[in-house]
Amino acid sequence: GAGVSQSPSNKVTEKGKDVELRCDPISGHTALYWYRQSLGQGLEFLIYFQGNSAPDKSGLPSDRFSAERTGGSVSTLTIQRTQQEDSAVYLCASSFEQGQTYGYTFGSGTRLTVV
Amino acid sequence: AQSVTQLDSQVPVFEEAPVELRCNYSSSVSVYLFWYVQYPNQGLQLLLKYLSGSTLVKGINGFEAEFNKSQTSFHLRKPSVHISDTAEYFCAVKPNNAGNMLTFGGGTRLMVKP
Repeated sequence: GAGVSQSPSNKVTEKGKDVELRCDPISGHTALYWYRQSLGQGLEFLIYFQGNSAPDKSGLPSDRFSAERTGGSVSTLTIQRTQQEDSAVYLCASSFEQGQTYGYTFGSGTRLTVV
Repeated sequence: AQSVTQLDSQVPVFEEAPVELRCNYSSSVSVYLFWYVQYPNQGLQLLLKYLSGSTLVKGINGFEAEFNKSQTSFHLRKPSVHISDTAEYFCAVKPNNAGNMLTFGGGTRLMVKP
C-alpha cells in the first residue's frame, strides 16, 4: 500500500480481555517495528521484525505481549489479559532494509484504552 | 547502546518567533540522526535526517538542524514558526555501522501561540 496501515485506530477494552492490533506495512518493506507511546511519554521500543523473524524482542514489557508477522508482511501485536497500564498508543513502522536504515515510515497508530 | 535526551518537554513560543528544540545524544559509535514530527492524532512523520556530509540539514516545512559532533547535539531550528507547527517533535539516532533500531528521545511539545 501507499503507507503503513494500522487497525483499529481506536480500541476500548475491559481489563482482563485480550486484544489484537494489526499493522500492514508498506509493500516491499522487509523491516517492521512496534513502539508504544504512553501519555506524556516518548516512544518505547517493543519488537522488531526482519522478514518473519523477530531478532529483537527485548522491548516487550511482559509475557502478556506477543507479536507475529506472516508472509513478510502483516504483523499482529497481541496483548493478553490487558491491564490499565497497557493503555497507550501503539505505533507500527516499516522500513526498506539493505543493510542500512534511513528512517522509518510510521502508521497513525492504535489508541488502546483499557477500562 | 545509544540514548537521546530532549531537554525541554514543552516549548511555548509566539507565532512568527524563532524556535530551537534541543537534542543531545550519547553513543559509543557514529550515528545517523533524525527528527520526526507528530501532529495531534497522527503518526510520526520524518522531518529531516543527517547521514553524512554537510552538518546543516534542511527538512520540510522550513525546519533545519545542525549536527555538532563535539557537543553530540542535533538541535532543530526554525526562524519563524506558524500556528500549524504546533506538534510533538522527536529526535532519534541509529548506529551507522549496524542494527536497525531507532532510539528516540522523550519528545518536545512545541506550542505556538497567536
